[in-house]
Amino acid sequence: QQQVKQSPQSLIVQKGGISIINCAYENTAFDYFPWYQQFPGKGPALLIAIRPDVSEKKEGRFTISFNKSAKQFSLHIMDSQPGDSATYFCAASMSAGHNFNKFYFGSGTKLNVKP
Amino acid sequence: DAGVTQSPTHLIKTRGQQVTLRCSPKSGHDTVSWYQQALGQGPQFIFQYYEEEERQRGNFPDRFSGHQFPNYSSELNVNALLLGDSALYLCASTPDEGFGGYTFGSGTRLTVV
Repeated sequence: QQQVKQSPQSLIVQKGGISIINCAYENTAFDYFPWYQQFPGKGPALLIAIRPDVSEKKEGRFTISFNKSAKQFSLHIMDSQPGDSATYFCAASMSAGHNFNKFYFGSGTKLNVKP
Repeated sequence: DAGVTQSPTHLIKTRGQQVTLRCSPKSGHDTVSWYQQALGQGPQFIFQYYEEEERQRGNFPDRFSGHQFPNYSSELNVNALLLGDSALYLCASTPDEGFGGYTFGSGTRLTVV
């Protein structure tokens, strides 16, 4: 059973546009939701993360929107740039209990920003 | 400050062989987790080590085993390799105190032929 479902699988956006990637989760015990960015040949790098006590978090051009009742969260990349072209993964984890710090990742979204 | 270091970067093995992958965590981190990332997929949790013991494990067979050393570095061992074990193996470290995202290494690309 996939704990975190991510869509779309791939995304093409024009330079300057808004990229939106969506994720949904099942386990209500999850309380930490990071987004990772991965370039070819590299490991994932933490981009931004949110906890369910806030509905939105913004860092520069990157924003996470969180809907606890719908068990969904999304990543918005404003003013998308060709350098943002990468694969993005959402993830979920619990900050307590026997599954502490065990991350469940989505299947990834390959973003291509056209110049 | 060096991040997470993994070796080797690439490896080709034959079915049935055994392989050992190595990881040095980021300075100040004492918890190491291993993930398997198949091509085009998200990372899948293999297991996590803390204080030289396996603290939790994902849905991987016993062919996958690990070890953590007193200096917090870690090894992932895979026995009786199958073609399906071909993947990018990622090591991630965190400090045990507090909670936050992982720091990942660049991974070891394992190809089983």
